[in-house]
Amino acid sequence: DSGVTQTPKHLITATGQRVTLRCSPRSGDLSVYWYQQSLDQGLQFLIQYYNGEERAKGNILERFSAQQFPDLHSELNLSSLELGDSALYFCASSVGQGMNTGELFFGEGSRLTVL
Amino acid sequence: AQSVSQHNHHVILSEAASLELGCNYSYGGTVNLFWYVQYPGQHLQLLLKYFSGDPLVKGIKGFEAEFIKSKFSFNLRKPSVQWSDTAEYFCAVISGGFKTIFGAGTRLFVKA
Repeated sequence: DSGVTQTPKHLITATGQRVTLRCSPRSGDLSVYWYQQSLDQGLQFLIQYYNGEERAKGNILERFSAQQFPDLHSELNLSSLELGDSALYFCASSVGQGMNTGELFFGEGSRLTVL
Repeated sequence: AQSVSQHNHHVILSEAASLELGCNYSYGGTVNLFWYVQYPGQHLQLLLKYFSGDPLVKGIKGFEAEFIKSKFSFNLRKPSVQWSDTAEYFCAVISGGFKTIFGAGTRLFVKA
């Protein structure tokens, strides 16, 4: 158990819909990261927050948004869903950021299926 | 842009064979390097990491990796693999920015 909790574990929805994925980081970790893992594209970095502020953005679509709340949990919102958004979405956390990031601790992922 | 390349997407080995998985990165400055492993049905977890010092780092379960700065490489090795090493292996890099960038992963299957 990494200490990072993600919900839901599985989600099936239809094209055009909107979903919210939730992540609770390890106790004491201030950084939260979101990654998308699909068969053909590996592990793609989406976005990072540190203590409530956005710190880095990767290949995150405009239809996707995220935030980190004062209690440090984070939510990833995916809207106007398309078939190609079907993937495993991982959340990770770390104590620090930047070159002081150290090890990332990953949740078990949320598997999204868009039909 | 910063990138990480893993040369082999799929590797099949027999038990007791030696393993070497390649990883190259594109950033020329100071880097922190990692190998993560994802066992079937589980989350990613850290195998080993390099920040500075001895370029040969040892991780869990008998894995080691060597940082060769001149080659921008951080290859993962294990002298003798076991069936339980069947997993997907990811190389990752942090450079000057905030992002930890992962390679595409290498799926290792070890035949018993």
